[in-house]
Amino acid sequence: AQSVTQLGSHVSVSEGALVLLRCNYSSSVPPYLFWYVQYPNQGLQLLLKYTTGATLVKGINGFEAEFKKSETSFHLTKPSAHMSDAAEYFCAVTSTSGTYKYIFGTGTRLKVLA
Amino acid sequence: KAGVTQTPRYLIKTRGQQVTLSCSPISGHRSVSWYQQTPGQGLQFLFEYFSETQRNKGNFPGRFSGRQFSNSRSEMNVSTLELGDSALYLCASSLVGDTQYFGPGTRLTVL
Repeated sequence: AQSVTQLGSHVSVSEGALVLLRCNYSSSVPPYLFWYVQYPNQGLQLLLKYTTGATLVKGINGFEAEFKKSETSFHLTKPSAHMSDAAEYFCAVTSTSGTYKYIFGTGTRLKVLA
Repeated sequence: KAGVTQTPRYLIKTRGQQVTLSCSPISGHRSVSWYQQTPGQGLQFLFEYFSETQRNKGNFPGRFSGRQFSNSRSEMNVSTLELGDSALYLCASSLVGDTQYFGPGTRLTVL
């Protein structure tokens, strides 16, 4: 069975500071991993995804994530936070075979302080 | 390509009524999934349809049902609405085992 754990339901950073949102997964088969962002009253928007190949994945808005198989992690980072980054972020995993079911984490709300 | 569309965007119903929400996936996507999002429970998976068949199902009561048509459009229905059904209902479409693309959601308020 697959699962996703996002550490920290709320994270606050100062504008210009490093953003680090944590995601750990569990999967018995090679996973596909995703980060999504959600702004108020909107749907989820894909930030980036890992399927195969390069373990450091770059996404939109300056975000990137690194797939670390040994640590079963897929943490999201951004070197310098902007006020516009304030939103809720979701990590997700799906299997590459079988039921292809998507599993989402519980989300991390990012607050950016001026 | 046009994105995922959901109609209506906002809906107000009273307890005991039923409601039908519609989702049109991205052209070529045969998988459609539905999620319920509330402040207390977060994002919860309802069900997924692929080629008109329900392939995966979440842990929701039978009042929640769905279907998919031959053109991949999907509907979900909630019967005998309860106050706790107030939520943002999100639809997502994808190719098999690939990125899910989300619609803007339908905001359902049950009074």
